[in-house]
Amino acid sequence: AQKVTQAQTEISVVEKEDVTLDCVYETRDTTYYLFWYKQPPSGELVFLIRRNSFDEQNEISGRYSWNFQKSTSSFNFTITASQVVDSAVYFCALGGDSNYQLIWGAGTKLIIKP
Amino acid sequence: GAVVSQHPSRVICKSGTSVKIECRSLDFQATTMFWYRQFPKQSLMLMATSNEGSKATYEQGVEKDKFLINHASLTLSTLTVTSAHPEDSSFYICSARDPYRGSYEQYFGPGTRLTVT
Repeated sequence: AQKVTQAQTEISVVEKEDVTLDCVYETRDTTYYLFWYKQPPSGELVFLIRRNSFDEQNEISGRYSWNFQKSTSSFNFTITASQVVDSAVYFCALGGDSNYQLIWGAGTKLIIKP
Repeated sequence: GAVVSQHPSRVICKSGTSVKIECRSLDFQATTMFWYRQFPKQSLMLMATSNEGSKATYEQGVEKDKFLINHASLTLSTLTVTSAHPEDSSFYICSARDPYRGSYEQYFGPGTRLTVT
């Protein structure tokens, strides 16, 4: 069975601190995709990244970076020099079945204090 | 590109009435659309998957007669909440898949907040 675990329910840091959001997944598929989405208070989901199972290279996009490690089945997300605008709920998701459905983690609420 | 709209963004209805939510892919043809429900402080819960021209596939525990899904064209899917009750109040999100942009990429609408009084 496929599963995504985001063990951190809520994280609170002071602005400019670095913060890492954890995501651990379970799947028996050899080909799969991992995603991160941001959901600000408005509710609209914002796509951040997609990574396929064959690409373990870490990704950096501005202050955002992602660490994909198949050996530990993790796809962690780090925000460097956090800003108040980063406050949101962040979801990790896994895709890989024939129905094109995504399996969602419970989400991590990130609070950045000024 | 890959924009999905939802209408309405917010709706308040009385208990016992029906509400229709529209989901449109504006710049691509969506062979598959997904409907999610999200309760406060919870994750997204998949309600159903709809493929254009065929009946929707509902997840376990979702009443198909209560949540009617129609995917009549490649750019439009509708979710009708029939005989709504206060417990149906929730945030409903649709997403669409563009098969030409990548297998598992889903493009999300902005969501519809339903309040049943």
